[in-house]
Amino acid sequence: GQNIDQPTEMTATEGAIVQINCTYQTSGFNGLFWYQQHAGEAPTFLSYNVLDGLEEKGRFSSFLSRSKGYSYLLLKELQMKDSASYLCGLFTGANNLFFGTGTRLTVIP
Amino acid sequence: DTEVTQTPKHLVMGMTNKKSLKCEQHMGHRAMYWYKQKAKKPPELMFVYSYEKLSINESVPSRFSPECPNSSLLNLHLHALQPEDSALYLCASSHHWVKVQSSVGYTFGSGTRLTVV
Repeated sequence: GQNIDQPTEMTATEGAIVQINCTYQTSGFNGLFWYQQHAGEAPTFLSYNVLDGLEEKGRFSSFLSRSKGYSYLLLKELQMKDSASYLCGLFTGANNLFFGTGTRLTVIP
Repeated sequence: DTEVTQTPKHLVMGMTNKKSLKCEQHMGHRAMYWYKQKAKKPPELMFVYSYEKLSINESVPSRFSPECPNSSLLNLHLHALQPEDSALYLCASSHHWVKVQSSVGYTFGSGTRLTVV
């Protein structure tokens, strides 16, 4: 089985930096995904980490520590359109992708 | 084509009705999935098809019946649903898991918002 934890809600200011944490326990690990989901829309892919370290993609970066069962998504230069839910997804292999509770981020002016 | 298309977008059905949700992709993905998402909750995995064969059924009630007629299509047949089954049903697809690591992960459709009355 697997267990994935994220903060339920976060609020940050436009132009700031925010870090969304994800901790997990799992019996099988083949990578960790981050997805963004606006209300009423499909989740969209942000990042994938399978090795320890930081992956950077423009304003978004994702970090993974497999030994600690820990990942974070870093969003820089926040924009109002970044208000959304951010889903941490554990890929356990064999086509299994399980999501954490999701973090609802609200960006305020 | 880089999309997963789901129809219908909205569906209202009675508890005695039979209906089907449809999902289609033309990206050559050989794995397809059904997820259920309740309001303000994350998507929950229901079914996984890999090479048109059901590989995972996450203890879903039999009133939900998946079908994968070919590598591009995925259906979810609904019968005798309960009001608590009202949710957003998301379809997704991906390369087979050994190739996921080099791809952009799963591609999700926009979902079917189902209301059971």
